[in-house]
Amino acid sequence: GENVEQHPSTLSVQEGDSAVIKCTYSDSASNYFPWYKQELGKRPQLIIDIRSNVGEKKDQRIAVTLNKTAKHFSLHITETQPEDSAVYFCAASIRNSGGGADGLTFGKGTHLIIQP
Amino acid sequence: GAVVSQHPSWVICKSGTSVKIECRSLDFQATTMFWYRQFPKQSLMLMATSNEGSKATYEQGVEKDKFLINHASLTLSTLTVTSAHPEDSSFYICSARARLAGAYEQYFGPGTRLTVT
Repeated sequence: GENVEQHPSTLSVQEGDSAVIKCTYSDSASNYFPWYKQELGKRPQLIIDIRSNVGEKKDQRIAVTLNKTAKHFSLHITETQPEDSAVYFCAASIRNSGGGADGLTFGKGTHLIIQP
Repeated sequence: GAVVSQHPSWVICKSGTSVKIECRSLDFQATTMFWYRQFPKQSLMLMATSNEGSKATYEQGVEKDKFLINHASLTLSTLTVTSAHPEDSSFYICSARARLAGAYEQYFGPGTRLTVT
């Protein structure tokens, strides 16, 4: 099955600086890579995702890059703000042409701390 | 759109009893729902895939006789933890697959915190 590794487990950055979280996956068949933000005791919230036919995707301060050859993808948050503090999870799954997708395999999570 | 609810939000039960958790898609139909378990300060682990009208598919290591899943309608999947034990205490989260704006996404419920005493 799929195995997703995520680093670092904890990341502390100064407000306004950038944060980068990296993930690797093992199953070359995986083609869908979402990122979730989870605040304590709450449900995961999708913040951005990327499909394997795309190398990079950006949404305001958040960007994700994918290297299929190396089987790794990264989340980049620029101009970090205190409200960015949370646990971030990467995930991977297989999505078929009809749109259906397998359940997600999650990384272990990164606790992002934004220092004021 | 794509709102998923869970009930109850939290439950405390005694060891040996069974607990049923409901996952509902409120404004869309979901042929597929997923059940995840999350222990404190850990990641989400996929337990099973629930398909409407058919048997659930369980991940390796998840006991299907202990975690009973029923997906009887296009808006409801239930997870029953049978003969619960303290080690089953966890945060159980469901998700439902929906297609909005041309793309399939998984939408998560708010989770159910189970404590077994």
